[in-house]
Amino acid sequence: KQEVTQIPAALSVPEGENLVLNCSFTDSAIYNLQWFRQDPGKGLTSLLLIQSSQREQTSGRLNASLDKSSGRSTLYIAASQPGDSATYLCACSGSARQLTFGSGTQLTVLP
Amino acid sequence: GAVVSQHPSRVICKSGTSVKIECRSLDFQATTMFWYRQFPKQSLMLMATSNEGSKATYEQGVEKDKFLINHASLTLSTLTVTSAHPEDSSFYICSARVLKGYEQYFGPGTRLTVT
Repeated sequence: KQEVTQIPAALSVPEGENLVLNCSFTDSAIYNLQWFRQDPGKGLTSLLLIQSSQREQTSGRLNASLDKSSGRSTLYIAASQPGDSATYLCACSGSARQLTFGSGTQLTVLP
Repeated sequence: GAVVSQHPSRVICKSGTSVKIECRSLDFQATTMFWYRQFPKQSLMLMATSNEGSKATYEQGVEKDKFLINHASLTLSTLTVTSAHPEDSSFYICSARVLKGYEQYFGPGTRLTVT
């Protein structure tokens, strides 16, 4: 059974810093890995989706990498802004194409 | 494109009553819809997977007689929480996936409070 872990559980950084969020998964047989953002009391916003054959995806200040062999993914956020404050979730899609979510990293960017 | 809506966004009900939550794909046909539950400060846990026109598949530990799922059309799935109890209070989120697709599109969630 797939298990997804995210470290750290919470992170607080000053505005302008670059930061990295980590995600690890136990079963490397994934179809894709997705990073989401969730604001308090809200649903999920998809940020980046990396197919299993890809190594990374970029969107604006966000860059996500995937290393299937080591069971790791990172989300890099450049030049962080207070508006980036949210919980970031990673999720893996397996053979049944169901998503298994990590517990999330709660990010606070201080102005 | 790929918009999923949920209704209601918030609902408060009394213990013992039933509550229905709707999940709609607004601009695409969703052959598969998923229902998740999220407790405060926890991640999303998959409750069940529903395919249009067939019975839902429930995850281990989820009572199918308590959480009734109906996926009667390619754009609508409903989750009915029967005989709700305070411990059912949670944030319920649905997602939808197109035929042969991998990406799931998520609804905005429904906050259920059982008093």
